[in-house]
Amino acid sequence: QKEVEQDPGPLSVPEGAIVSLNCTYSNSAFQYFMWYRQYSRKGPELLMYTYSSGNKEDGRFTAQVDKSSKYISLFIRDSQPSDSATYLCAMSGGGNKLVFGAGTILRVKS
Amino acid sequence: EAQVTQNPRYLITVTGKKLTVTCSQNMNHEYMSWYRQDPGLGLRQIYYSMNVEVTDKGDVPEGYKVSRKEKRNFPLILESPSPNQTSLYFCASSFSLKGTEAFFGQGTRLTVV
Repeated sequence: QKEVEQDPGPLSVPEGAIVSLNCTYSNSAFQYFMWYRQYSRKGPELLMYTYSSGNKEDGRFTAQVDKSSKYISLFIRDSQPSDSATYLCAMSGGGNKLVFGAGTILRVKS
Repeated sequence: EAQVTQNPRYLITVTGKKLTVTCSQNMNHEYMSWYRQDPGLGLRQIYYSMNVEVTDKGDVPEGYKVSRKEKRNFPLILESPSPNQTSLYFCASSFSLKGTEAFFGQGTRLTVV
């Protein structure tokens, strides 16, 4: 079993929809949680970074962490075609390594 | 502009021919790392470095070497490439020694035939 599980999709939604992307994990030592966005033929770019449990909001993006359920989510409001990309969750236990999910492909149709 | 620069972007080579992929960052970050990205497997860490002359293995270090002689540079060396090292490689740097909030390069697509 992988340490971090992420549905690969693709997830296809109409423009303006609310998108929910999720990851589950098995290592209870994880306490740093990140979401990266990766466009085709580009490197990943950091979208959201949260420490421990709770919510964090940045514009149209909201990250949620539920450590009791070992479950993290990224919500995208008012989705746009420019949001079409692969979304990667990543997490760390405070050591020196990041563990990534396999990524979810999101397609926003205009 | 803050950036991580990798070269080359694309490389086709033959089995056993030594190659080096360069990585340079201009953000004065102490932490740098290399990842490979394969379909269905996501990003897996190969090696990381927390400072000059300090390197350590990630999850998939077999067949790779790294060096960190200068803070800004972190080259990845494949001394005898094999076809199973065909992959998309990313270099990253971070101001956090935990490796979080990493900045990634544009990637190097390597094919070993």
